[in-house]
Amino acid sequence: DTGVSQNPRHKITKRGQNVTFRCDPISEHNRLYWYRQTLGQGPEFLTYFQNEAQLEKSRLLSDRFSAERPKGSFSTLEIQRTEQGDSAMYLCASSTGTEIEFFGPGTRLTVL
Amino acid sequence: GESVGLHLPTLSVQEGDNSIINCAYSNSASDYFIWYKQESGKGPQFIIDIRSNMDKRQGQRVTVLLNKTVKHLSLQIAATQPGDSAVYFCAELLPGSARQLTFGSGTQLTVLP
Repeated sequence: DTGVSQNPRHKITKRGQNVTFRCDPISEHNRLYWYRQTLGQGPEFLTYFQNEAQLEKSRLLSDRFSAERPKGSFSTLEIQRTEQGDSAMYLCASSTGTEIEFFGPGTRLTVL
Repeated sequence: GESVGLHLPTLSVQEGDNSIINCAYSNSASDYFIWYKQESGKGPQFIIDIRSNMDKRQGQRVTVLLNKTVKHLSLQIAATQPGDSAVYFCAELLPGSARQLTFGSGTQLTVLP
């Protein structure tokens, strides 16, 4: 499968714990995006990488959230001190110079 | 249509009929639009796109219409099939360096046998 992959697919954690998600984009896609999606809503932009550089962050991305893309390939999204409001689907997407963004299957986070 | 909280607009159609899903976008400066299909538990899947210098674009069984005057997009699905049942989102691409997508409210399409 040469699509965008995300791990884990599901994560259940207790409030206050830290969690980390991984995204592997389509090979050679230099742009990588993170979005968050809550039930019944469309995805909301969180942050964007071009190669290893994080070029833009949404106001939704509080200081408890950090994303990295150290070698310009896979990316990680970490949430520290999780809160119940962080429960959502976290989606990763990648693209090249074209505008079409290919999405991964997402990581479903549940904070108890 | 507008979504209010958890209540997605819904559209039910008979198998074999045509479906029309509407979307209002927000930014008149947006220059590129995409329709995505999202099945339960999966990420959005690209269906069709259109640039702002076009009014209509056709794909396989799908057509997108763009009306920039009223900032409106529509997705037409011909001969709707059970596998078309999903939530459909339109997304606009804002000008700028990041080129992130802004998604509109989704529509739940249900295909009746």
